[in-house]
Formats: sequence, structure tokens, C-alpha cells
Amino acid sequence: GENVGLHLPTLSVQEGDNSIINCAYSNSASDYFIWYKQESGKGPQFIIDIRSNMDKRQGQRVTVLLNKTVKHLSLQIAATQPGDSAVYFCAERVTGNQFYFGTGTSLTVIP
Amino acid sequence: DAGITQSPRHKVTETGTPVTLRCHQTENHRYMYWYRQDPGHGLRLIHYSYGVKDTDKGEVSDGYSVSRSKTEDFLLTLESATSSQTSVYFCATDRADTGELFFGEGSRLTVL
Repeated sequence: GENVGLHLPTLSVQEGDNSIINCAYSNSASDYFIWYKQESGKGPQFIIDIRSNMDKRQGQRVTVLLNKTVKHLSLQIAATQPGDSAVYFCAERVTGNQFYFGTGTSLTVIP
Repeated sequence: DAGITQSPRHKVTETGTPVTLRCHQTENHRYMYWYRQDPGHGLRLIHYSYGVKDTDKGEVSDGYSVSRSKTEDFLLTLESATSSQTSVYFCATDRADTGELFFGEGSRLTVL
């Protein structure tokens, strides 16, 4: 499969700090990227997306940055809260409606 | 919430037995997907459907078949389950062609 990977498998942050989760992708033709959050025992939930013609997109407390030059994607979570503790996946759309997912980063928020 | 229901949520079966997982959606989404999730591999696409009776293979389709006779139902069948198919299976749908996927709660399958 495509190499959609995450630099760090685990990340621990203090409550209130900002979190940055990174993702590398290998297919320069990918045109659409999504970040998902998966809480224990549940299915992944959409957080934010970005298209390849954009460098940055902001949502509520989350920002996604896309660097096509180095094929890197990051998710920034501002003022991290205990409810943000979860596994975060990036996904890239390579062709049609097929997505490749990364292996995930586990975020733990320390109260 | 795309109203995706997976059944069964948990199943234990023996090697060589057939297994069918069902995904039901209430949002009339055109595309439906089956993924499996394993430690160290993330989510991998098994099969997907882009309409009634229209299906195609994903990256890990060997040993699996699917059927979609109605818009709302997408079935995943393991004709003869193997221990390597022990996994958590997720169904997903997407809204038109936006690419945003909505996932079910998952079905945990254990093949002994």
C-alpha cells in the first residue's frame, strides 16, 4: 500500500498546551487529505480536511497544514483538553474514492 | 452521524466457517466501504461499492467478498474464515463525492 505514516506513535501533552501530530505521505498525486479521531471502542470520526490546492485550513481549535514539497501533513490542536485523548489518523485520497490511512498516533492529555 | 449500523458487533468463530458482517445506513449515501483495522497497519480497504450491485476490490480483498443489493445495505462475507482475518472491521459511507467518510462503530471478529 501507500506509505502514509506518522512520525510518532504516541504523544503526551499537558492539558492546555498545543498538540502537533505529524503525517508523511508518499504519493504526490494525492489530492485530498483528512484527519480522523478515533476514541477507544469507536469508529473514526472526521476532524478536518484539506485539498491539495491549499496549504492551511482551520477549524474549531484545529488547524491542518499541508506541505506538498516534502509531502507532509500536520494536525495542530490548540489548548488540548482531556477529551482530545484518542488515536489520530491521517488519510490521503490516492485515486477515485480510495483512501490510504496512516497507522495512527495515540494522543494522551495529562490533566 | 450518518446512521451507520454494523452487525454483529462482536463475533467469535472457528477456522473454516463462513461469516457475514452487515452494514446498514440510513442516509442514502452512494458509496460504502469495508475496512479492517489491525495494530501496526491502520485502516486498510477491503472492498467498496459505488452503487447497487457495483463493487470493487480494495488493497486487501483476498478471502473476502461483498454484495450490495440495496442502497442501504453492504454485506461483507468471509467464505471460509482464517485466523489471519481476526480483526476489527469498519464500515464507512461517504456523502456524495466530498470524500468525507462516516464510520460505523466496528465489528470485532475473532477466528479461533
